[in-house]
Amino acid sequence: DAKTTQPTSMDCAEGRAANLPCNHSTISGNEYVYWYRQIHSQGPQYIIHGLKNNETNEMASLIITEDRKSSTLILPHATLRDTAVYYCIVMNSGAGSYQLTFGKGTKLSVIP
Amino acid sequence: DTEVTQTPKHLVMGMTNKKSLKCEQHMGHRAMYWYKQKAKKPPELMFVYSYEKLSINESVPSRFSPECPNSSLLNLHLHALQPEDSALYLCASSHSKGQPQHFGDGTRLSIL
Repeated sequence: DAKTTQPTSMDCAEGRAANLPCNHSTISGNEYVYWYRQIHSQGPQYIIHGLKNNETNEMASLIITEDRKSSTLILPHATLRDTAVYYCIVMNSGAGSYQLTFGKGTKLSVIP
Repeated sequence: DTEVTQTPKHLVMGMTNKKSLKCEQHMGHRAMYWYKQKAKKPPELMFVYSYEKLSINESVPSRFSPECPNSSLLNLHLHALQPEDSALYLCASSHSKGQPQHFGDGTRLSIL
C-alpha cells in the first residue's frame, strides 16, 4: 500500500472550516484514500473514503486532486469535539486486501 | 457510543496471569480485527479474521492467542505477557475485508 504524508499538527478556529491535507504521490490506480480520526481515549472513527471523485457525507468532504497524488479532508464547520488525530490512509479495497496501515496522522486542535 | 463493544475497558494483570479480552459486534460484519496501540503511536494490526477464519497474523508473539467463536464475537487470550505488552488493544469489524472498519474504544491493558 502507498504511504502518506501529513502535517504533524494544525489549529483551526471553532466554526471555521478545517482543511487537512494529505500527500500520497505513490498511490496506485486501484487504491482508495481513507480518512479516520481518533479522539482522545476512543477508538479510531471512520470518516470518509474515495477513489478519484470528490465525496461528501454528513461528517466531511473529501477532495482528491485529478492526478490523485494528494487529497484534502474538509470539516466545514469545526467544533471543539472535532479535536482529534486525523489519519489519511491509502488502501486497496479489494477482497484480498485488509490492512489499514496508520501513519502518524495530523493532530487537529480546534480553538474556541 | 460505538457499535463494537469491548470488555473489559481496563485490565491490570501480572506476567503469570491468563486473561481474555472480548469484542462483540451485531452489525452482521464478517471481518474482525485486533490492533495494538502504544501510547502516542498509531494503531498496529495484529490479527484479521474473515468469515471466522484467521486470515492474517502479523507476526504476533504466541503469548497472544486470538479466537473467533462466531461471526459476532472475537476474543484475544493473553498468557505470560511482558511489561512491554502494556497498551490499548482495539477491536474493529467491517462488512468484509477491505471495507471501512468500525472500531471499539479498546481495552487498556497494564502488565505489572
